[in-house]
This record gives sequence, structure tokens and C-alpha cells, in this order.
Amino acid sequence: GNSVTQMEGPVTLSEEAFLTINCTYTATGYPSLFWYVQYPGEGLQLLLKATKADDKGSNKGFEATYRKETTSFHLEKGSVQVSDSAVYFCALSMFQGAQKLVFGQGTRLTINP
Amino acid sequence: SQTIHQWPATLVQPVGSPLSLECTVEGTSNPNLYWYRQAAGRGLQLLFYSVGIGQISSEVPQNLSASRPQDRQFILSSKKLLLSDSGFYLCAWGSGQGRVDTEAFFGQGTRLTVV
Repeated sequence: GNSVTQMEGPVTLSEEAFLTINCTYTATGYPSLFWYVQYPGEGLQLLLKATKADDKGSNKGFEATYRKETTSFHLEKGSVQVSDSAVYFCALSMFQGAQKLVFGQGTRLTINP
Repeated sequence: SQTIHQWPATLVQPVGSPLSLECTVEGTSNPNLYWYRQAAGRGLQLLFYSVGIGQISSEVPQNLSASRPQDRQFILSSKKLLLSDSGFYLCAWGSGQGRVDTEAFFGQGTRLTVV
């Protein structure tokens, strides 16, 4: 079946540190890959996406590259800010009767000043 | 612009009581609608999805049901809540154009605590 495995949290970093959150997936076919972010007390919002192999999604200084050979979509940011503190979800999207998102378990990120 | 409304934001219900959570979407027509649950320490689990009025697909067996009485209204219900129904419930909509690369838009969520 389709599944997403994310690096377990929580992750705590100091401001301006380099961030990597690992994400690997298992899927039949060719999924699209997403990172969603959930700020405290809010719903999820799209951070970035990639729809085919070797695509790089980027937004707000975050990047992730769709690696088909390693079935990975790791999230990176060169210099994190306190405002990046949130829960990050990796997800794949497949069409099975409708577009369906399969999420990882989420990684809670805390950035200390 | 499209917006999604979900209410209530917080709910505390006794075991055995009924449940009704409502979600409405504005600014789009014939969306795909979804209910997800986020249990503590776990990821989001897809509970139900709907591709049209009256069309409901269930992803996991459970104590909950869903209905779509209108194009942009999606309701999550239970006749008798269990303790295990506690969690954070999120409604979402997608464009429903048969694509897999489109963004899903989420409501603010409902935190349900069954006591």
C-alpha cells in the first residue's frame, strides 16, 4: 500500500541553524509529493510540492527534491527562524477514486531564539 | 476566493452522546471533500471522502459516518461517541479534477474530547 514515513520529532534547533526533516515514501505508481505545515492552533497549509522525479519544490526558504531512486522528499532550510516553529507533514497524493493524500505522522519543530 | 469553514473549534462531549461536525466551502463548485482525524502523537488519517452530493466513501471502519447533503457541505456524525473518538478533526477540500498534483485546503479543525 501507500505510506509515508517521517523523521520522528520533536526537533529543537537554535535560530539560524540548518534544518533537515527526512521523509520517505512507498507508493504504487507515480505520486505527487507535498509538505504541509500546521502552525499552533491552525489547520494545515501547503508549504511546497513536487509532482515528478527530480522536481524541486520551494517556498519561504524551504526546499525539497523529489528523489525517485531513493523514494525520498526531505525538507531542508538553510537558516531557520523562530516563526518556523510548527508541525510539518510530508504527504503523497494518489488518485484512487479521488485524489487522496497519505500523510506521515508529522514532525514537531521548535526553534529557540 | 475560496474559503472553508469548520465548526465548532472545540467540543467536549460525554461518552454515548451524539456528534455533528459541519464543514462548508465557499467560492468553488463540485469540490472533493474530505474528513481527516489527527490523533495525539499520530499523523492524519483519512476517514471519509466525497466526490459529489450523497456520495460518501469510507476509508476505515469506525464509529463515525459522513454525509454531503449539499454540494459544499460535509457533515461528520456519530450516534454514540466512544472515548477513542477523541482527536483533532480536519475538513478539507480539493479541486476534484482527476489530478493528483493539486493542493488540498484545510479548515481550522475541531478538537473533540470525549469524556
